[in-house]
Amino acid sequence: KNEVEQSPQNLTAQEGEFITINCSYSVGISALHWLQQHPGGGIVSLFMLSSGKKKHGRLIATINIQEKHSSLHITASHPRDSAVYICAVRDIIQGAQKLVFGQGTRLTINP
Amino acid sequence: EAQVTQNPRYLITVTGKKLTVTCSQNMNHEYMSWYRQDPGLGLRQIYYSMNVEVTDKGDVPEGYKVSRKEKRNFPLILESPSPNQTSLYFCASSHHLRGVETEAFFGQGTRLTVV
Repeated sequence: KNEVEQSPQNLTAQEGEFITINCSYSVGISALHWLQQHPGGGIVSLFMLSSGKKKHGRLIATINIQEKHSSLHITASHPRDSAVYICAVRDIIQGAQKLVFGQGTRLTINP
Repeated sequence: EAQVTQNPRYLITVTGKKLTVTCSQNMNHEYMSWYRQDPGLGLRQIYYSMNVEVTDKGDVPEGYKVSRKEKRNFPLILESPSPNQTSLYFCASSHHLRGVETEAFFGQGTRLTVV
């Protein structure tokens, strides 16, 4: 079992729909990152969370430390949101500072 | 402009020929790291550095070396590249000091092919 599990792996939706991508993890963490990777390959950081909720434009990220779960929401989705969304956690086991990644969720928004 | 710069963007090389991929950041970040991305395996951490002269192995360090002589630079060295190191490589940096961490900035990626 992977330390970080994302669901769904693939998601196709129509423009305007509300999107939710989930991330569950099994290790102790100090932070959780949501990343976006566009077809060109570049990676952009969307959020870094250690508790609660953050909002940036149409994007909202939440984390529940007790349940070891985070969600990324996109409101009023647009074709330009089509990308791979990656969850990553800062693993603090044994004092290490490794970043462990989920497999990614490929999101396609159709006009 | 805050950025992480990797070079080269694309590289084709032959087995056994030593190569270095450079990474430089202009944000005075303490934490720098290298990742490789492969189809079906996602992103995996190769090495990371918490500060100058402090480096540690990630999940897939075999066949790679790094150094952190200056805060801004974190080169990735392949002493004897092999075809299984063909991959897309990313460098990233972030503030990470006394338990306080910030968002990560990623380089543009280096697509390496070893033949």
